Amino acid sequence: NAGVTQTPKFQVLKTGQSMTLQCAQDMNHEYMSWYRQDPGMGLRLIHYSVGAGITDQGEVPNGYNVSRSTTEDFPLRLLSAAPSQTSVYFCASSTQGANQPQHFGDGTRLSIL
Amino acid sequence: SQKIEQNSEALNIQEGKTATLTCNYTNYSPAYLQWYRQDPGRGPVFLLLIRENEKEKRKERLKVTFDTTLKQSLFHITASQPADSATYLCALDMSGNTGKLIFGQGTTLQVKP
Repeated sequence: NAGVTQTPKFQVLKTGQSMTLQCAQDMNHEYMSWYRQDPGMGLRLIHYSVGAGITDQGEVPNGYNVSRSTTEDFPLRLLSAAPSQTSVYFCASSTQGANQPQHFGDGTRLSIL
Repeated sequence: SQKIEQNSEALNIQEGKTATLTCNYTNYSPAYLQWYRQDPGRGPVFLLLIRENEKEKRKERLKVTFDTTLKQSLFHITASQPADSATYLCALDMSGNTGKLIFGQGTTLQVKP
């Protein structure tokens, strides 16, 4: 049981490049989320999904796209990377229900030059 | 919109003492509040959840309180150990009971032997 797996762990991009951050969970969780964590700002919700085919925006969705074609996977796409998107990105999953604990991956550290 | 404030200054205490961390929120009282631990380079790990109708919750050396009048939760670690050194995050629902969480910026605890 691997939990939540994020790949890659580290990535350096040039401004304007696109890429996809991968997130997979093997716990059959309905809810999945993407957060970014910046110094002094805590975790901020980017996008959110309550099940396959259903996504919703969080606090800071601009510049990011998501899709949820399966229960297990929830990739995050950067369409045209900007230096302001340099951050640590965390994926999380939980069972259905508003008060359930989030299970986090260990993050992708992304630098955009 | 709902905001969370945690003391951004690091908390330094001696081994064996009780650590007390504070989480304040600004608007409506949430139905529940969660606490997480985050170690450097790792994703947050869920510790405890407390509901609005619960004044106190305990788990081993951890205790959480929830005061809806003060709009505050306190997180206590009794008999602290150097292994408790980490950043502790509180989180609550973004807007009611949606399951979309917002996080505080976290308080770093350093327990000295």
